[in-house]
Amino acid sequence: AQSVTQLGSHVSVSEGALVLLRCNYSSSVPPYLFWYVQYPNQGLQLLLKYTSAATLVKGINGFEAEFKKSETSFHLTKPSAHMSDAAEYFCAVRANTGGFKTIFGAGTRLFVKA
Amino acid sequence: KAGVTQTPRYLIKTRGQQVTLSCSPISGHRSVSWYQQTPGQGLQFLFEYFSETQRNKGNFPGRFSGRQFSNSRSEMNVSTLELGDSALYLCASSPGVVQETQYFGPGTRLLVL
Repeated sequence: AQSVTQLGSHVSVSEGALVLLRCNYSSSVPPYLFWYVQYPNQGLQLLLKYTSAATLVKGINGFEAEFKKSETSFHLTKPSAHMSDAAEYFCAVRANTGGFKTIFGAGTRLFVKA
Repeated sequence: KAGVTQTPRYLIKTRGQQVTLSCSPISGHRSVSWYQQTPGQGLQFLFEYFSETQRNKGNFPGRFSGRQFSNSRSEMNVSTLELGDSALYLCASSPGVVQETQYFGPGTRLLVL
């Protein structure tokens, strides 16, 4: 079985500050990990994904995430927040547990203050 | 390439009715997955199809069903609608099944009165 926990349903940062969104996962088999972003009234857009290559993954819009197997974490970071980063962010794990299935975390809403 | 399209975008139904939602994947993609998104439960996996075969299914009652056609287009059906079925239903397509990135459509927002 697999599961995803996102710490903090809401995160608020000032424009220009570091963004850190936390994600911990559990999976009985090696997982593929993803971060998606959702803007209001839209579907999800892929930010980045980990597929067992480099543990530090760079994505779009300046975001990156580091896969830490020992900590079962895949936290999302961005050095400097921009107003346009305000959105909801979802961490997801995909693994083959009797068929591939993607499980999403509950989401973290990011607020960016001017 | 055109993205994933879902129709209709908005829908209002009453309890007890049934509804069919449609999803057209990105050209060349053979896998389609469906998710239900609600404020209380978040994003929940409904089912995944690949080459017209259901590959996996989430924990939803039998009132929720789906199918995929030979052109990879997919439909999901909900029978005997309940108020709790009000949600945003998202469809995602990918080239295959393994670690492929899923590309999401804008969703169909269903309101059950």
